[in-house]
Amino acid sequence: EVVTTQSPATLSVSPGERVIFSCRTSQTVSSDLAWYQQRPGQSPRLLIYDASARATGIPARFSGSGSGTEFTLTISSLQSEDFAVYYCQQYNNWPWTFGQGTKVEIK
Amino acid sequence: EVHLVESGGGLVQPGGSLTLSCAASAFTFSSHAMSWVRQVPGKGLDWVSAISASGDSTYHADSVTGRFTISRDNSKNTLYLQMNSLSAEDTAVYYCVKGQYTPRGGYYFDYWGQGTLVTVSS
Repeated sequence: EVVTTQSPATLSVSPGERVIFSCRTSQTVSSDLAWYQQRPGQSPRLLIYDASARATGIPARFSGSGSGTEFTLTISSLQSEDFAVYYCQQYNNWPWTFGQGTKVEIK
Repeated sequence: EVHLVESGGGLVQPGGSLTLSCAASAFTFSSHAMSWVRQVPGKGLDWVSAISASGDSTYHADSVTGRFTISRDNSKNTLYLQMNSLSAEDTAVYYCVKGQYTPRGGYYFDYWGQGTLVTVSS
């Protein structure tokens, strides 16, 4: 099973700041990686797939990059609605696995 | 807009059974693989089971193999999860999730239901 690891567990950020999330996989997953956002009390929402493609309706301030075993999600300027937990998920190797999540808190 | 509505959650005793349902709408249900993903309250996401578009192929996480069965009725646009031999470790919110295949055969989860809570407790 591919182990998917996110860091850090928590980020304290001020609105307007740039935020970078890290996701690493224990073996190469090519570009088969997605990012999800989960706001408090809500279901997860797809942000990025294929490591860098934005899902339908996702604002341009969200961008993804990376391939192989190291990936990043960047929010260029954090908005109030972006305070949430972010998960990465690999879908290159069965079973599909999620990272443990990074929570973005208000600084 | 894709709509996925789960039902069937609730309180069940250890060793008991429960069947979850997911009613799908606003997309061609029979053309898409579907999954169940669960989340212990306050914790991360954990893929549970998946089924191909036709229903011919099913997959389960090791933690539920032999106890859970995923199925679908494409004539009713409905996904199911039959859960047997439940334990406290199965307590979680269960999400019905639509899958989107990629050319390399993997798939990511592009739409999620609101979830249904399953609590296993005596």
